[in-house]
Amino acid sequence: DAGVIQSPRHEVTEMGQEVTLRCKPISGHDYLFWYRQTMMRGLELLIYFNNNVPIDDSGMPEDRFSAKMPNASFSTLKIQPSEPRDSAVYFCASSFRLHRTDTQYFGPGTRLTVL
Amino acid sequence: DQQVKQNSPSLSVQEGRISILNCDYTNSMFDYFLWYKKYPAEGPTFLISISSIKDKNEDGRFTVFLNKSAKHLSLHIVPSQPGDSAVYFCAASSNTGNQFYFGTGTSLTVIP
Repeated sequence: DAGVIQSPRHEVTEMGQEVTLRCKPISGHDYLFWYRQTMMRGLELLIYFNNNVPIDDSGMPEDRFSAKMPNASFSTLKIQPSEPRDSAVYFCASSFRLHRTDTQYFGPGTRLTVL
Repeated sequence: DQQVKQNSPSLSVQEGRISILNCDYTNSMFDYFLWYKKYPAEGPTFLISISSIKDKNEDGRFTVFLNKSAKHLSLHIVPSQPGDSAVYFCAASSNTGNQFYFGTGTSLTVIP
């Protein structure tokens, strides 16, 4: 299996622009997670999906952030409009079950820089 | 508020010696803990876990110790190898929720 795939790997944009991050989970995994990594806060869970349905989006920082999962093999995280404080590494992860003993497999991340 | 804290941003250790990475948590409801390892330009990968019913879990060169009264866990790597150079994240969860709370990470450098 190719593992979790994320694109782009790097994104540089200007403040106010729309940014779309993409993720393809591992086939057969029912759960998909979006995390953000910053130096100050480490890895923070933004939102997670079960069978393409958003279950908990309490970690989404504000209305500028939105996430969708139109099918089992694709999810997007969108920031509109982007701001410099959104600069971070964004990870997508997937797991077979939600049970906390079930390993989450992370993608390589998208490094976002907002100028 | 950061419920899981890794107060050492970085650590350097000589090859062959022991590496000890520390993690503190504030939520007394946390009862399951993980360590993830992250190489540059890659996502975190699961390393080892421990449940609160244990105070130690060992997997090869890696051992995690849990001190519930102190709300503290540590990861020991013995002997340390250059390939262990990476960022290590600890994470915790409670049985009332499905979310893992991660620390800010400790960057380990093993010097050959």
